[in-house]
Amino acid sequence: DAGVIQSPRHEVTEMGQEVTLRCKPISGHNSLFWYRQTMMRGLELLIYFNNNVPIDDSGMPEDRFSAKMPNASFSTLKIQPSEPRDSAVYFCASSEFPGTGLSSNYGYTFGSGTRLTVV
Amino acid sequence: DQQVKQNSPSLSVQEGRISILNCDYTNSMFDYFLWYKKYPAEGPTFLISISSIKDKNEDGRFTVFLNKSAKHLSLHIVPSQPGDSAVYFCAASLNTNAGKSTFGDGTTLTVKP
Repeated sequence: DAGVIQSPRHEVTEMGQEVTLRCKPISGHNSLFWYRQTMMRGLELLIYFNNNVPIDDSGMPEDRFSAKMPNASFSTLKIQPSEPRDSAVYFCASSEFPGTGLSSNYGYTFGSGTRLTVV
Repeated sequence: DQQVKQNSPSLSVQEGRISILNCDYTNSMFDYFLWYKKYPAEGPTFLISISSIKDKNEDGRFTVFLNKSAKHLSLHIVPSQPGDSAVYFCAASLNTNAGKSTFGDGTTLTVKP
């Protein structure tokens, strides 16, 4: 398995432009998570899906952010319009939930991240 | 309100010695805890986990201890190796919440040869 695949790895864009980040989760995983990492706020959950349905988007900072999961093998995170404060590393992760019981291991598998710079 | 805290931003140990990374949480409803390791320019990698029904879980050189009454968990690495140098994140989740995890800020471990 190639793991969780994110694209692009790096994105530099001008303020006001639309940015789309892409994620392909591990086949068979039914939960997908978008996290953002910054120096100030650490790793913060933006939104997560279970069986392609958004479960909790309370971490999405503003209406400028939107996420979709049209099928089990693809998700996008869109920022429109982008602002310099959106600069961060954005991680996508997937997992299999629920596992086979309380002792099951359902740690996430993370992608390598997309480093976004908005100038 | 930060629900998962790693109070030590960094830790340095000698190769072969024990590394102990600590994590505290405030939400008593958390019932599943995980540790991740992160190298630069890579995503975090799952390392080890523990359910709240246990107080210890061991996997090779890595052992996680959970003290529910103190809302504290720790990760022990014995013996430490230079390749263990990375940022370690503690995470906590609710079993009933589709695996949603709350992460600490991380501790940078440096293992010196």
